[in-house]
Amino acid sequence: QTVVTQEPSFSVSPGGTVTLTCGLSSGSVSTSYYPSWYQQTPGQAPRTLIYSTNTRSSGVPDRFSGSILGNKAALTITGAQADDESDYYCVLYMGSGISVFGTGTKVTVL
Amino acid sequence: EVQLVESGGGLVQPGGSLRLSCAASGFTFSSYWMSWVRQAPGKGLEWVANIKQDGSEKYYVDSVKGRFTISRDNAKNSLYLQMNSLRAEDTAVYYCARGGQQLVPIYFDYWGQGTLVTVSS
Repeated sequence: QTVVTQEPSFSVSPGGTVTLTCGLSSGSVSTSYYPSWYQQTPGQAPRTLIYSTNTRSSGVPDRFSGSILGNKAALTITGAQADDESDYYCVLYMGSGISVFGTGTKVTVL
Repeated sequence: EVQLVESGGGLVQPGGSLRLSCAASGFTFSSYWMSWVRQAPGKGLEWVANIKQDGSEKYYVDSVKGRFTISRDNAKNSLYLQMNSLRAEDTAVYYCARGGQQLVPIYFDYWGQGTLVTVSS
């Protein structure tokens, strides 16, 4: 059973920078997993931020960026704002039509 | 404007069945992968199923294989999820999501607002 791991929580100051990561319980994440990132606030549907590692979805501000850092996918928020306080999920495409969500990271801006 | 509107959720007893629907508009439905994603109360997101543009390929998370069936009607711009043999652990908000136009379902780019399914006696 493949587990996609994320940090449980992160805290960032307004205007600061935070990097969230998305890893595999076994192995390394590469662009071949087409990592994507989603933002969700309580009671709301998810919002797509990044797909195919580093492509921003329509309307997403450029303070959100995606990359591969070492053996993990990464989402960097530069110049954090109060409304960035949300849960963030990554998804990896495992092949054979299968997608797996990460465990999610709760980001607090304070 | 892309819109996805789910319906069909509700309260069902363990072992029962339910059919979810997702009405799509604002894009060429037949050109996109479509998916169902769920979220149990207080838990994270979980991918449930993907269906290819023409319905020829369907994929499921292991926990629903043999119980859930994803389908689509491109003439009606609609996506469905038939859920049988429901269990308490299937209780969740179910989201309809649009995938890409690629050969494989590598991401979700638009989401519905979700419909709540509660499995309880």
